[in-house]
Amino acid sequence: QVQLVQSGAEVKKPGASVKVSCKASGYTFTSYDINWVRQATGQGLEWMGWMNPNSGNTGYAQKFQGRVTMTRNTSISTAYMELSSLRSEDTAVYYCARTLGATRYWGQGTLVTVSS
Amino acid sequence: DIQMTQSPSSLSASVGDRVTITCQASQDISNYLNWYQQKPGKAPKLLIYDASNLETGVPSRFSGSGSGTDFTFTISSLQPEDIATYYCQQYDNLVTFGPGTKVDIK
Repeated sequence: QVQLVQSGAEVKKPGASVKVSCKASGYTFTSYDINWVRQATGQGLEWMGWMNPNSGNTGYAQKFQGRVTMTRNTSISTAYMELSSLRSEDTAVYYCARTLGATRYWGQGTLVTVSS
Repeated sequence: DIQMTQSPSSLSASVGDRVTITCQASQDISNYLNWYQQKPGKAPKLLIYDASNLETGVPSRFSGSGSGTDFTFTISSLQPEDIATYYCQQYDNLVTFGPGTKVDIK
């Protein structure tokens, strides 16, 4: 069965960076895009960007341009999302998701807390 | 960027009621529109893809329609387990989610 397993919760100080991993199993990793979506407590879903694991091509939401980097390691079927220059407003649950048009599979979410 | 609006932002209805949520895109997105249900503490769940296609395993009381800029999501007979927040999502040009509609039981 398809599974996306994300890394554990993180606590970071303002100005630091965080790197969240998403390990895929149960399908061919390079056949589907990986999207990243975040959700602050009590807020809506916010799309951050996508990555094609086959080519490494990426596309980022304008809001995160310059601050987010999405990469992958195909040998271990793992996608990564790194967000830099963290501020308190980046405190949220971050989800990876397997996408082909629609998103049918999601990771369990990773809570990133930014606090001094 | 394509902007998505949803209305209402919240609603309260009785069990068995028909519930309708609308979603509007800031430009023509054809039928590149999905609907998700999210319950507290859980990842979103795909209900409708490509505007009107019911995802496998999703009850038939859920439906979607529309194309271009205007879309509608309907629950034909609200059930207690439908309490959740519903989001539309366009994927014609990158991805944008609507702000969500919170559905409660009256």
